Amino acid sequence: QSVLTQPPSVSGAPGQRVTISCTGSSSNIGAGYHVHWYRQVPGTAPKLLISTNNNRPLGVPDRFSGSKSGTSTSLTITGLQAEDEADYYCQSFDSTLSGSGVFGTGTKVTVL
Amino acid sequence: EVQLVQSGAEVKKPGESLKISCKGSGYSFTSHWIGWVRQMPGKGLEWMGIISPGDSDTRYSPSFQGQVTISADKSIDTAYLQWRSLKASDTAIYYCAKLLSSYNYFDSWGQGTLVTVSS
Repeated sequence: QSVLTQPPSVSGAPGQRVTISCTGSSSNIGAGYHVHWYRQVPGTAPKLLISTNNNRPLGVPDRFSGSKSGTSTSLTITGLQAEDEADYYCQSFDSTLSGSGVFGTGTKVTVL
Repeated sequence: EVQLVQSGAEVKKPGESLKISCKGSGYSFTSHWIGWVRQMPGKGLEWMGIISPGDSDTRYSPSFQGQVTISADKSIDTAYLQWRSLKASDTAIYYCAKLLSSYNYFDSWGQGTLVTVSS
């Protein structure tokens, strides 16, 4: 049972904007730990999408952005494209887990 | 180019032991923690633990403490994940990943190792 909760699925038409929430608590996101986002196309390894709340690695389009507020964080995809269909996971650290990291429950993005 | 290359798929019986590997290249292996992540069939990612290959300092997620052993051999730039007695519920894909420890995120991932435990 993850301590970071995401909606199981979100969907949108091409060109639309979708937002994925990642809700934590005072022992993880609310404690000031950075949040990172990964994208996983089924059958492949996850790949870093956003680091330290809102930083994109080289090669990640600026359609992807992150934000953080209190004990929650969000990933927004603007101008949704067919290739954005994948699973998305947030990740942070939690002080109650012996200094261990934790992933969110994951969200499937479907492009209609 | 940073690369993490994992060992191949395994099929084992319940009760058997197993050690899978993850070889790093293209960077200073001892300078970055390596983590292991489990993904059970059709499920999400789970943080298992991390190891510092330089001194073998290891941190386990409470859910995996005592269930697996993470180790590393810095002389051959390889990290390992080991089970003494496999269970059917250990069936999953296991990923290793390089941790950027200053901010605690995985910036490079291995291709994954599928472990199937079945009688």
